[in-house]
Amino acid sequence: NAGVTQTPKFQVLKTGQSMTLQCAQDMNHNSMYWYRQDPGMGLRLIYYSASEGTTDKGEVPNGYNVSRLNKREFSLRLESAAPSQTSVYFCASSSSDYNEQFFGPGTRLTVL
Amino acid sequence: EDQVTQSPEALRLQEGESSSLNCSYTVSGLRGLFWYRQDPGKGPEFLFTLYSAGEEKEKERLKATLTKKESFLHITAPKPEDSATYLCAVKRYSSASKIIFGSGTRLSIRP
Repeated sequence: NAGVTQTPKFQVLKTGQSMTLQCAQDMNHNSMYWYRQDPGMGLRLIYYSASEGTTDKGEVPNGYNVSRLNKREFSLRLESAAPSQTSVYFCASSSSDYNEQFFGPGTRLTVL
Repeated sequence: EDQVTQSPEALRLQEGESSSLNCSYTVSGLRGLFWYRQDPGKGPEFLFTLYSAGEEKEKERLKATLTKKESFLHITAPKPEDSATYLCAVKRYSSASKIIFGSGTRLSIRP
């Protein structure tokens, strides 16, 4: 079991460029999440998908979109990157919305 | 407002020196409290879930306890490989997927 995988591991973008962060899990989990982690701010929820076919906004959704492609995959898209989106992005999954979450290794994104 | 506060922000111990990390929370209708370990450059690694006051869970040198207002992560005779940031998070019944994370305690164990 690979658990939760994320690609890419590192990315540098220029302001205004777009990109998609990919996440996949092989634990047959129903719920998936996207977080960002910034120094002094802790982990903040961007979007989540409680089950396949549903997505909802979290605490900081502005500037992002998501797609729950199937039960395994949940992608995060930045349509027009801004320097404020420089952060470390983590994907997580859980068997249900109330259970513990398991995290991927993260994507380190820099927007110049 | 739901809140999670971890203390201390940083803790340096000598190898073998036992101590405790604190996680204080204010949340109505606690569904669960989670402890994670995070190594530099990696994602958080799940350690424990606690559901009700009085509950305790152990894993190697770590033991987590829960009261109605706080949780403690006790570390007994730590080793240098226990150095990491330890995160606490809470979830309440009606939060619709939102887990509130504390800012973490950076633990450093000197050989």
